[in-house]
Amino acid sequence: AQTVTQSQPEMSVQEAETVTLSCTYDTSESDYYLFWYKQPPSRQMILVIRQEAYKQQNATENRFSVNFQKAAKSFSLKISDSQLGDAAMYFCAYNRGSRLTFGEGTQLTVNP
Amino acid sequence: ETGVTQSPTHLIKTRGQQVTLRCSSQSGHNTVSWYQQALGQGPQFIFQYYREEENGRGNFPPRFSGLQFPNYSSELNVNALELDDSALYLCASGDYEQETQYFGPGTRLLVL
Repeated sequence: AQTVTQSQPEMSVQEAETVTLSCTYDTSESDYYLFWYKQPPSRQMILVIRQEAYKQQNATENRFSVNFQKAAKSFSLKISDSQLGDAAMYFCAYNRGSRLTFGEGTQLTVNP
Repeated sequence: ETGVTQSPTHLIKTRGQQVTLRCSSQSGHNTVSWYQQALGQGPQFIFQYYREEENGRGNFPPRFSGLQFPNYSSELNVNALELDDSALYLCASGDYEQETQYFGPGTRLLVL
C-alpha cells in the first residue's frame, strides 16, 4: 500500500520569506501523480500544484514550486514571497488510479 | 472556488441513524470520490464512482455506500451511524484520465 509522510507537523515563516514543506512517499509504481493541497480554516481543500511522475521537470505555479526527486521518493513544496493568505494546513497527496492517499499535513503559520 | 457543491453543510445525527450526503460535480467531470477527514488528520478515501459504477473503495465497511447519477451528481449513504463517524466528509470530482480531483466545501457530520 502507498504511504505518504509529512515529517513537519508545524512550520512558520515570515511574510515575504521563503519556506519549504517536506513530503516523502512509498510506492512500487513508476507512473503516478503527486499533489499539494491547501486547507484553510474554512476546511475547503484547494489544489495548489500537481506533478506527473513521468515528467522530470519540476512543476511551478506562480509562487509555488516543487522539488520532485523520484528516486528518493521525495516531493517538497517551496512557497516564495509568503503571504498572510498562505497560512493553512498543507497536505501532500499521491494518486495512482482512483484514490488519493494523503499525508498527515503540515500547519503553516505566516508571521507579519 | 471549484464548481463542486455539497449539501448539507452541517448535520447532527444520533447513533444508529442513517444519513445521506449529497454532492454535485464540477461541469465536465466524470468521476466523483468521497473522503472522510477526522479532526487533525488527513482525508481517508472512502470510494470513487465512474460511469455510475464503483471504481475503487477504501477500508470502509459496507454500511458506507454510494450512488452516482447520470448528471454526475452523487450521494454518500451511511447506515447505523457510530460515534466515530463524526468527521468532515469531502466530495471531489475529476476527469478519469487526468487523475486530478477538485474538492467541494465538505459536510460536517456530528454523531451523538
